[in-house]
Amino acid sequence: QSALTQPASVSGSPGQSITISCTGTSSDVGGYNYVSWYQQHPGKVPKLMIYDVNNRPSGVSNRFSGSKFGNAASLTIAGLQAEDEADYYCSSYTSSSTLLFGGGTKLTVL
Amino acid sequence: EVQLVESGGGLVQPGGSLRLSCAASGFTFSSYAMSWVRQAPGKGLEWVSAISGSGGNTYYADSLKGRFTISRDNSKNTLYLQMNSLRAEDTALYYCAKDLYRGIAATAIDYWGQGTLVTVSS
Repeated sequence: QSALTQPASVSGSPGQSITISCTGTSSDVGGYNYVSWYQQHPGKVPKLMIYDVNNRPSGVSNRFSGSKFGNAASLTIAGLQAEDEADYYCSSYTSSSTLLFGGGTKLTVL
Repeated sequence: EVQLVESGGGLVQPGGSLRLSCAASGFTFSSYAMSWVRQAPGKGLEWVSAISGSGGNTYYADSLKGRFTISRDNSKNTLYLQMNSLRAEDTALYYCAKDLYRGIAATAIDYWGQGTLVTVSS
């Protein structure tokens, strides 16, 4: 099964908002509300930022939000901060009872 | 505090085998599905396998083609990954991961170990 499709890179200036897309199929993103987003800083362990499309775990800033329409999901980060610079991965439950990750997006804060 | 500590990684020749272990603490281990996720050097995350809390159900990425086997010992709060017929492309940091939900595996991961490095090379 191919990875979910994410842009390789996005960038924004401090204070701006950015959106990262994650495109799948009706067998994964479009079929279930089990889309998650992870943040990974260089050399660090991934951190869960969004689960079930638009839920934030305790402790995650409300500047992070998620959404889904059809076979595509999105992560929006409002009020960009330097500390947001990291790699971001989406994931989705699939019809094969597996977990599928996106290829990852490198966020650069200009 | 949830803790996941992997061990068992190392250098292995192509065609060889390794068994990874993950010692879990800080939560009711038997209540949660667990997963293995790997990350090749400089690459993205790749889900490898998951197992239900009871161990009765297992799930694998299609790309593994039966070479890997996930298991767990709930009496020891330990997760395992037996890896056979290893290839150069299996070289990666292997993370032990706790699934978010009790009742269903492979939906989301809320805790990750630090990872154990597997290098397949002659």
